[in-house]
Amino acid sequence: QVQLVQSGAEVKKPGASVKVSCKASGYIFTSYDITWVRQAPGQGLEWVGWISTYKGNSNFALEFQDRITMTTDTSTSTAFLELRSLKSDDTAVYYCARSLLRGELSPLSDWGQGTLVTVSS
Amino acid sequence: EIVLTQSPGTLSLSPGERATLSCRASQSVSSTYLAWYQHKPGQAPRLLVYRASTRATGIPDRFSGSGSGTDFTLTIGRLEPEDFAVYYCQLYGSSPPHTFGQGTKLDIK
Repeated sequence: QVQLVQSGAEVKKPGASVKVSCKASGYIFTSYDITWVRQAPGQGLEWVGWISTYKGNSNFALEFQDRITMTTDTSTSTAFLELRSLKSDDTAVYYCARSLLRGELSPLSDWGQGTLVTVSS
Repeated sequence: EIVLTQSPGTLSLSPGERATLSCRASQSVSSTYLAWYQHKPGQAPRLLVYRASTRATGIPDRFSGSGSGTDFTLTIGRLEPEDFAVYYCQLYGSSPPHTFGQGTKLDIK
């Protein structure tokens, strides 16, 4: 069965960087893309960005453009989200999710368990 | 950027009742790219409906989606205790961001 297992919780100081991993299993990794979504405390879901696991190209929400990197390691079926210059507003649970359909325009059918990133001095 | 506005913010109903949740887009969108998710505290979100009206695998038929243009609806035919959660619509077509609505909290009356 499809599984996405994310790395553990992180505590970072403002201005630091964090890298969250998402290891996929149960399917061919490069056949379905990965999206990252976050939820700040008490807030709703926020789309962060998307990466093609086949081509490696990506799209991000504008607010993250200068400080985000999404990558994949196809040899280990793992996707990574790196966020730099962290602010307290980045405190959130970060989810990775797999596309239901092939291609960029797809709903999200399978989700990781979430990784809590806390940014605090 | 297209904005999705969900209403009501909170819906208080009893098990067995029917729930109607609304998602309105700031401009006309293709129903091909409209999805609904259920989210419970401490869990990952769960895809319920995509293409506005197609139920995802394993989703009970009491969940149904409809709509077109700017107005979309998720209906839960007869509420079960496990249905009380937060529900989000999402637009996943065209240019990013693939926006979520702000959510509707369905709680027990």
